[in-house]
Amino acid sequence: EVHLVQSGAEVKKPGESLRIACKGSGYNFTSYWISWVRHMPGKGLEWMGRFDPSDSYTIYSPSFQGHVTISADKSISTAYLQWSSLKASDTALYYCARIQESSYGFDYWGQGTLVTVSS
Amino acid sequence: EIVLTQSPATLSLSPGDRATLSCRATQSVSTYLAWYQQKPGQPPRLLIYDASNRATGIPARFSGSGSGTDFTLTISSLEPEDFAVYYCQQRRNWLMYTFGQGTKLEIK
Repeated sequence: EVHLVQSGAEVKKPGESLRIACKGSGYNFTSYWISWVRHMPGKGLEWMGRFDPSDSYTIYSPSFQGHVTISADKSISTAYLQWSSLKASDTALYYCARIQESSYGFDYWGQGTLVTVSS
Repeated sequence: EIVLTQSPATLSLSPGDRATLSCRATQSVSTYLAWYQQKPGQPPRLLIYDASNRATGIPARFSGSGSGTDFTLTISSLEPEDFAVYYCQQRRNWLMYTFGQGTKLEIK
């Protein structure tokens, strides 16, 4: 059975760095792209970018380019989303999702990681 | 960037009613449009891909239609578990995606 399990909630201060994780299991990790999606409180979903674990090709939404980095360690089937300097406006719930290869829909999702940035 | 606008923002209906949700794109996305359902405290669930194809395990009461810039998600007869937020998503430029802002389907 396919699972995406994300790392736990984080509380950080502005200016701090952070990396959150998304571990895939039950499928060949390198055969499916991974996307990250932001869900801010009371707002809609925002696509942040996608990553191809087979060749590390990454593309970002213009809204997130330069603000986050998406990567993965395929040896442990884990994708990452990281910030070098957090802002209060990064406070949100972050989801990883697998992109289905034939439909390009997001067919499996992680449970979400809540990131709170506050001084 | 392609922008998706969903309407209405909120739809108030009763169980057994027919629900019609709209998604409009600022430029053609062909049929590269998906619909997701999200319930409180849960991640989104893929309902429809490529405008009209139901994802695995999705009940037949959910259907999608449209092409180009105008799309519709129809729920033929609402069940209590269908009250949720619905998002459309495009991948016209297949390297990149965008979501609509969502339609909240609430119990009247």
